[in-house]
Amino acid sequence: DGGITQSPKYLFRKEGQNVTLSCEQNLNHDAMYWYRQDPGQGLRLIYYSQIVNDFQKGDIAEGYSVSREKKESFPLTVTSAQKNPTAFYLCASSTDRGTNYGYTFGSGTRLTVV
Amino acid sequence: GDSVTQMEGPVTLSEEAFLTINCTYTATGYPSLFWYVQYPGEGLQLLLKATKADDKGSNKGFEATYRKETTSFHLEKGSVQVSDSAVYFCALILSNAGGTSYGKLTFGQGTILTVHP
Repeated sequence: DGGITQSPKYLFRKEGQNVTLSCEQNLNHDAMYWYRQDPGQGLRLIYYSQIVNDFQKGDIAEGYSVSREKKESFPLTVTSAQKNPTAFYLCASSTDRGTNYGYTFGSGTRLTVV
Repeated sequence: GDSVTQMEGPVTLSEEAFLTINCTYTATGYPSLFWYVQYPGEGLQLLLKATKADDKGSNKGFEATYRKETTSFHLEKGSVQVSDSAVYFCALILSNAGGTSYGKLTFGQGTILTVHP
């Protein structure tokens, strides 16, 4: 079955550490996205990529970095510069920029700073 | 900028009650409109969509009609079940190419629905 796989499901980070969240899709979608979800605040766009080897900052990119070396993969690194990283992170992908079919989402990674 | 506003939650209903979750939008172009549902601890699933004015999206007993004159896309279900308890998100994507918002999904803040037996 085609879909998006995010791993790990739960991740714990110590203060000052960088961590990388994995996102892989086998839908042959060109565009991929990372969102952050906090209670009561909906979803906010971190980074997005509409083609391999290219990506753009979203609304809250500070303290995060991404790469898009393969069409199938769009990993997100949460750096030590992100002051409040505890949140639920969602990866998504789309074809035709989502205008006809929307986005397909992964099941999310819950990151907790300990 | 483009934005989506949903009714304040949480919404609590008894089983078989009628559900309405209001959603209005502001967009500079011609948006496609979506409702997503999120069950506890999971990602978002597309519930229904409408890509042009007067379209009606429907799925699993839920419906929403794209009303350009009122810039609204309200979600309705005639008889809710306990299994409908989830968070519901209204969202839009601009469909006119060339704008800086093209292809970016903008969400409302979500509405928590709890259905009691």
